[in-house]
Amino acid sequence: EDQVTQSPEALRLQEGESSSLNCSYTVSGLRGLFWYRQDPGKGPEFLFTLYSAGEEKEKERLKATLTKKESFLHITAPKPEDSATYLCAVQAGAGGTSYGKLTFGQGTILTVHP
Amino acid sequence: GAVVSQHPSRVICKSGTSVKIECRSLDFQATTMFWYRQFPKQSLMLMATSNEGSKATYEQGVEKDKFLINHASLTLSTLTVTSAHPEDSSFYICSARRAGATEAFFGQGTRLTVV
Repeated sequence: EDQVTQSPEALRLQEGESSSLNCSYTVSGLRGLFWYRQDPGKGPEFLFTLYSAGEEKEKERLKATLTKKESFLHITAPKPEDSATYLCAVQAGAGGTSYGKLTFGQGTILTVHP
Repeated sequence: GAVVSQHPSRVICKSGTSVKIECRSLDFQATTMFWYRQFPKQSLMLMATSNEGSKATYEQGVEKDKFLINHASLTLSTLTVTSAHPEDSSFYICSARRAGATEAFFGQGTRLTVV
């Protein structure tokens, strides 16, 4: 069974204090690992897709990296508007019973104080 | 971009009635749509996967006669909660994916309250 574990559950940062969120996963043939941002009462907003170990992607203050067992979302010099829940999800590749479906982690609630 | 619109954003209904939630892909054709349920401070739980023109595939434990899913066109899927009860109150979110794509894009969610 595919599993995704995110840590920490909650993270409080001061504005400008860089940090990383972790996403550990087990999946039967990774097709893709996804990062989403979710604001309260809203649907998830797509951030990144990572496909293979060693891949990195950046968007503004966010950088996502991927290894064979985990992914990190690095936040550089965060601002209060970066406060949200960050969700990690994996999609299994062909041949698995969960092919095509996304399995989500519990999320990390990020709060950035001014 | 890839925009998915979900309607309504909030709905309150009486126990025993049915409520329909719409999910539309506005600028792309969605061959596959997904319906999720999210409880407070919990992650998204997949309820069902629907492919255009086919019957939906429900996840284990999800009652298909209670949660009716229709995906009649490449831009519209609907979720109907039948004979709603207070325990059905939750945040329902849809997502849509193009043929051959890996990324799925989400609607803004529907907060259902059954009183």
